[in-house]
Amino acid sequence: DAGVTQSPTHLIKTRGQQVTLRCSPISGHKSVSWYQQVLGQGPQFIFQYYEKEERGRGNFPDRFSARQFPNYSSELNVNALLLGDSALYLCASSLFDFNSPLHFGNGTRLTVT
Amino acid sequence: AQKITQTQPGMFVQEKEAVTLDCTYDTSDPSYGLFWYKQPSSGEMIFLIYQGSYDQQNATEGRYSLNFQKARKSANLVISASQLGDSAMYFCAMRTGGGGSNYKLTFGKGTLLTVNP
Repeated sequence: DAGVTQSPTHLIKTRGQQVTLRCSPISGHKSVSWYQQVLGQGPQFIFQYYEKEERGRGNFPDRFSARQFPNYSSELNVNALLLGDSALYLCASSLFDFNSPLHFGNGTRLTVT
Repeated sequence: AQKITQTQPGMFVQEKEAVTLDCTYDTSDPSYGLFWYKQPSSGEMIFLIYQGSYDQQNATEGRYSLNFQKARKSANLVISASQLGDSAMYFCAMRTGGGGSNYKLTFGKGTLLTVNP
């Protein structure tokens, strides 16, 4: 079975632009989460979606938004990009079970210049 | 608030030896789960092992074992018989909340493990 897939793998944007990152979960996983990982740090929680509804939001500004589609894939949008948004953006999917681990994709590396 | 502390920024180990990576956590929630992930330089996060707060026995997965000391709030990862391919960043993470649809992991800052030949 395919793992979590993310696109694109790399992206370069300029300040003020908008970006959309995409994620396809593992087949059968209905929960998708987004994390931001800046260099030298652990991932930080941005959003979690389950059955197309937002179930959790981290401490990120309103410039960050996301959605989940009927096929459980997801998009993360970031508006008005800042230099500090440069990071690895990780998508993860999981089963609806407390003990189940998150399965991460390879991430999208965003560079804002 | 939930917090994960990994006090070892970097660790070195000789090939074929065992190594312990430290993790302490802080939560007031009685129900929680502890995870360890490996992140090679390529960037993907690889799930290694899980320990639930109510589990009576320490978790094991192949060469990985979790030394869970609930009273001390520690969940150290032990890697036995280290291999060169174990060189990577290792993250400890915690999930709290007794179930439901909210699934958020809180990560530590990580430990960079280098295995020497």
